[in-house]
Amino acid sequence: NAGVTQTPKFQVLKTGQSMTLQCAQDMNHEYMSWYRQDPGMGLRLIHYSVGAGITDQGEVPNGYNVSRSTTEDFPLRLLSAAPSQTSVYFCASSFGEGDREQYFGPGTRLTVT
Amino acid sequence: GENVEQHPSTLSVQEGDSAVIKCTYSDSASNYFPWYKQELGKGPQLIIDIRSNVGEKKDQRIAVTLNKTAKHFSLHITETQPEDSAVYFCAASNDMRFGAGTRLTVKP
Repeated sequence: NAGVTQTPKFQVLKTGQSMTLQCAQDMNHEYMSWYRQDPGMGLRLIHYSVGAGITDQGEVPNGYNVSRSTTEDFPLRLLSAAPSQTSVYFCASSFGEGDREQYFGPGTRLTVT
Repeated sequence: GENVEQHPSTLSVQEGDSAVIKCTYSDSASNYFPWYKQELGKGPQLIIDIRSNVGEKKDQRIAVTLNKTAKHFSLHITETQPEDSAVYFCAASNDMRFGAGTRLTVKP
């Protein structure tokens, strides 16, 4: 099993550009989520999904869109990048919501200039 | 929503000493409290977790204690080793709020 994979590992964007961060898991997990990690602020939940076709907002959803067309994939879209979105982004998956171990991907470091 | 506070933000110990990291939470409905370890350049990885029907859980050199009345839980690492150096995060369900993290350095 590859676990949770994320692409790209690094990305530099100009303000206003759009891009999609890819996330895939091969563990047949129903629950998937996106976090951003900023210095001194821990991990903050952006969006999550409890299954294919179902998504919901987390703590900091503004500026991000998600979709879940398959169990395996959970892409995160930045429609118009802003410098405030400079961060490290982690995708995670688990068997259930809230009370199960989450498996994290290796992260994507995004810089918006 | 849940609010999780974690202390200290940095912790430096000598190899072989113990390390303790503490977290408090606000939502009394939370019932799952995991601890994650994040090594440099990697994603967080679960090291131990505890559920609200248990007061203490131990796994070799790592233990977690939970006080539901006071709404706090702690991570204890005994006989620390240089490879324990990492950032540690606590979290509380139900909406998976994480603490801000503790950078632990174990000096040889």
